[in-house]
Amino acid sequence: ETGVTQSPTHLIKTRGQQVTLRCSSQSGHNTVSWYQQALGQGPQFIFQYYREEENGRGNFPPRFSGLQFPNYSSELNVNALELDDSALYLCASTLTGDSYNEQFFGPGTRLTVL
Amino acid sequence: GIQVEQSPPDLILQEGANSTLRCNFSDSVNNLQWFHQNPWGQLINLFYIPSGTKQNGRLSATTVATERYSLLYISSSQTTDSGVYFCAVTDYNQGGKLIFGQGTELSVKP
Repeated sequence: ETGVTQSPTHLIKTRGQQVTLRCSSQSGHNTVSWYQQALGQGPQFIFQYYREEENGRGNFPPRFSGLQFPNYSSELNVNALELDDSALYLCASTLTGDSYNEQFFGPGTRLTVL
Repeated sequence: GIQVEQSPPDLILQEGANSTLRCNFSDSVNNLQWFHQNPWGQLINLFYIPSGTKQNGRLSATTVATERYSLLYISSSQTTDSGVYFCAVTDYNQGGKLIFGQGTELSVKP
């Protein structure tokens, strides 16, 4: 148990639709990161939020967007879904400001785009 | 950017055997983590080990930061050790993102 939760567990959407994934950080953590993991690959960084501001972004198009709320929970939104967006989406939380920067992951949301 | 390479990509062991997984990285890092991904996709933290050696039960890890590699040792392997093992380093130039290797898929046979 990492204390990081994600919802929903599984999701099926059709191409062109929009989706919102949710993440609740571990208690005391102020930073959340989102990753996309395609089948057989390592997780790829999408973006990170710190104090409700985007704090770094990977090589993903603008249709991937996010929010972090005052309680440090977070959302990942994906517009205009494409077939290649089918993947496991993972969020991770950590405490920025401390030299100890271990990241803890939630169980993931498995998105299937048909 | 920082590159992370893991070897071997696949490993098949008989229960009770020992194994060593390797992680090489291309630049100096301040942070390295090892994870085990279970069949349901959950990434389980094994070690946070920017340098030195740590042990937790049958698992231990060593990072030699100056030579840019880390090793994960699994002793007396069990079928429950099966899954994918990832190492990941933090790139502070991009907001503290983790850069993952491609993983080592371990299968332990009874």
